[in-house]
Amino acid sequence: NAGVMQNPRHLVRRRGQEARLRCSPMKGHSHVYWYRQLPEEGLKFMVYLQKENIIDESGMPKERFSAEFPKEGPSILRIQQVVRGDSAAYFCASSPDIRSTEAFFGQGTRLTVV
Amino acid sequence: QKEVEQDPGPLSVPEGAIVSLNCTYSNSAFQYFMWYRQYSRKGPELLMYTYSSGNKEDGRFTAQVDKSSKYISLFIRDSQPSDSATYLCAAPGRTGRRALTFGSGTRLQVQP
Repeated sequence: NAGVMQNPRHLVRRRGQEARLRCSPMKGHSHVYWYRQLPEEGLKFMVYLQKENIIDESGMPKERFSAEFPKEGPSILRIQQVVRGDSAAYFCASSPDIRSTEAFFGQGTRLTVV
Repeated sequence: QKEVEQDPGPLSVPEGAIVSLNCTYSNSAFQYFMWYRQYSRKGPELLMYTYSSGNKEDGRFTAQVDKSSKYISLFIRDSQPSDSATYLCAAPGRTGRRALTFGSGTRLQVQP
């Protein structure tokens, strides 16, 4: 059973470009969470999605950031007009259903803005 | 005040030592807690979770929750070099919220 798959593992973008990060949850999991980890800091919650619904986006910056989890395909975290401060590791986690308290993490996408 | 606070370390111990990792939390409504282990440049891996006060043991790992003092601990017995990693404690961000709030992590180095 494959784990949570994130791609790309490393992404380099110039300031002003768009970054698209993908997350395929574990098989059978319909809940996806995105977290951001800055160097030497813990993980900060960004957004929680179920299929076709954003449930909690209270950790998401108001501008330039968006997320989706379509009926088919991976969850996408999109960052428009990236700035140097967006450089971080972005982790996706998934859980099977509303009753589960365990979240399983992917290996992350390391975004570098140059 | 942060919802979950953790000493960042680093913590260096000799192989075979007992390691104690600690977190404090501010929200008395938190009902469960988790410990994750994160190796360098990898994703966090769930180690243990506990729902209530008291101890939970799994092999060399013991998680302890003291709700009266809002203190959670992870003990590692017979520590191994392979235990060298960053350990993150986590709790639900607020009542009813499913996303986790993490401590900043404690970096552990077990010296062979």
